[in-house]
Amino acid sequence: TQLLEQSPQFLSIQEGENLTVYCNSSSVFSSLQWYRQEPGEGPVLLVTVVTGGEVKKLKRLTFQFGDARKDSSLHITAAQPGDTGLYLCAGLGGNYGQNFVFGPGTRLSVLP
Amino acid sequence: DTEVTQTPKHLVMGMTNKKSLKCEQHMGHRAMYWYKQKAKKPPELMFVYSYEKLSINESVPSRFSPECPNSSLLNLHLHALQPEDSALYLCASSQEVGSYEQYFGPGTRLTVT
Repeated sequence: TQLLEQSPQFLSIQEGENLTVYCNSSSVFSSLQWYRQEPGEGPVLLVTVVTGGEVKKLKRLTFQFGDARKDSSLHITAAQPGDTGLYLCAGLGGNYGQNFVFGPGTRLSVLP
Repeated sequence: DTEVTQTPKHLVMGMTNKKSLKCEQHMGHRAMYWYKQKAKKPPELMFVYSYEKLSINESVPSRFSPECPNSSLLNLHLHALQPEDSALYLCASSQEVGSYEQYFGPGTRLTVT
């Protein structure tokens, strides 16, 4: 079974700071997805990375997929209170290789 | 349009009640999913439907009964639930089973009393 780990578990920073969160596995994934989830709401897809070494930018968010396709990172520049939420990475895996495996998430709090 | 809708938003039910959760998508996706999410935990897969047929059941108790009436709709019928079943129930869809991207609905917050 493929597992995803995320670090840190919790992160509390001041507005304007930069941060990086990590998603790691001992298994190779064909793709990884990043979601942000706010309390009581469903996860919202931010990005999908598919190619090893790929870098994608979404405004102040930069996503990277490791060369070996076992890890990914999310870097936020000049964090804002609106970035607060649970950041989940996910990849196709599970017992059947057909459903998403989620990491445990990084809970980010950006203080004004 | 990448919207998945779910109703109701909130549901409180007793252990002897029967209720249903509903999910709808109009993206032409042929795979639909039910997840359960407890507080401070990631979503856990419950069921997968592919082309309106149940594809995966992750050993979910029979008090949860999924139904896919057509390619746009997914229901989850609830009966004789336990308080520990209280959670956020999320529906998702993707182009096909195994597609890279899943789109989630806003969820139904279920409380079993």
